[in-house]
Amino acid sequence: TQLLEQSPQFLSIQEGENLTVYCNSSSVFSSLQWYRQEPGEGPVLLVTVVTGGEVKKLKRLTFQFGDARKDSSLHITAAQPGDTGLYLCAGPHTNAGKSTFGDGTTLTVKP
Amino acid sequence: DVKVTQSSRYLVKRTGEKVFLECVQDMDHENMFWYRQDPGLGLRLIYFSYDVKMKEKGDIPEGYSVSREKKERFSLILESASTNQTSMYLCASSLGGGKVYEQYFGPGTRLTVT
Repeated sequence: TQLLEQSPQFLSIQEGENLTVYCNSSSVFSSLQWYRQEPGEGPVLLVTVVTGGEVKKLKRLTFQFGDARKDSSLHITAAQPGDTGLYLCAGPHTNAGKSTFGDGTTLTVKP
Repeated sequence: DVKVTQSSRYLVKRTGEKVFLECVQDMDHENMFWYRQDPGLGLRLIYFSYDVKMKEKGDIPEGYSVSREKKERFSLILESASTNQTSMYLCASSLGGGKVYEQYFGPGTRLTVT
């Protein structure tokens, strides 16, 4: 079974701080997705990383895929209250079509 | 933009009732999913459909059934609702094939069974 472990589970910071959250596995993934879920809403796809070592930037968010394609990180610069939410990573399950999801990191950014 | 809609945002049902949750996607995606999300338990897959009339059990199918008569529509049925089925239900869709499994989620249905 391919598992994705996310850390930390909870993170509470002040507006303007930087942070990094992690998504780790012992298995190789062909791609990894990052989603953000706001309270009471469905997850929204942020980015997909495909190539080992790849770095993608989305405004203040920087996503990195590990060289061995077993891990990924999300770095947020100068966090804002609007970044508050549950951040989920996911990757293709061994069963074609399905995804494995991590349990997520709940981020709270205080004004 | 991919759009996934769910029939209700909030639903309150009584124990023993039959409950239908409907999901529609507008991007001609082959795959559709039903998940439930509970605090501390993450996203758990209930059922997965990879084509019309095709379905596969997920991790927690007990107490649920599904129907996919048209490509764009995937329904989740609670045959006899129970209080332990109170949860957030999320529908998602994705393209079939390839190595990138991007899923697009609906807004969710918060179901309360009393």
